[in-house]
Amino acid sequence: EILVTQSPATLSVSPGERATLSCRASESVGNNLAWYQQRPGQAPRLLIHLASTRATGVPDRFSGSGSGTEFTLTISSLQSEDFAVYYCQQYDEWPPGTFGQGTKVEIK
Amino acid sequence: EVQLVESGGGLVQPGGSLRLSCAASGFSFSTNSMNWIRQAPGRGLEWISYISSASSAIYYTDSVKGRFTVSRDNAKKSLYLQMNSLRDEDTAVYYCASGVSVFDMWGQGTVVTVSS
Repeated sequence: EILVTQSPATLSVSPGERATLSCRASESVGNNLAWYQQRPGQAPRLLIHLASTRATGVPDRFSGSGSGTEFTLTISSLQSEDFAVYYCQQYDEWPPGTFGQGTKVEIK
Repeated sequence: EVQLVESGGGLVQPGGSLRLSCAASGFSFSTNSMNWIRQAPGRGLEWISYISSASSAIYYTDSVKGRFTVSRDNAKKSLYLQMNSLRDEDTAVYYCASGVSVFDMWGQGTVVTVSS
């Protein structure tokens, strides 16, 4: 099973600043990687798939990059609604399509 | 409005059973593959089951194989998860979500608590 590791576990950022989240797969997943946002008390929401393709309605301040085993989600200028937990998910080996353990983006 | 609404969660004793439902509206349910994904308290996300649009392909994660059964009724626009032989470690919020390997629509979840 492909393991997915996210870092850091918690990221403290001031509103308006840039946030960079990392995701690493234990073996190459090509570009078969997605990112999800989960706000407190809410269901996850798909942000990005195919490593860099934004889902419908996702603001362009969210961008994804990477391929193989190293991936990055960048939020260019954090808004109040962006403070949440972010999960990456590999789906090159699916099922099961493993998720990372999440990165919490909190207000600094 | 696109909507997925789960129901059927609750408190159940170890070894017991529950049947979860997911009602879909606002999109073409019959042409969409569906999944169940769970999140244990304070934990991350775990995909547990997939069913294709016509129920021709069904998959489970290893930890629920032989205990959980996924099904759907396209005429009723509903997805189901029959959970038997429940264990403490099945305690989680259970989400239904659409998609094949990438999950583009999610319900709000239903809470399942397995405890004596």
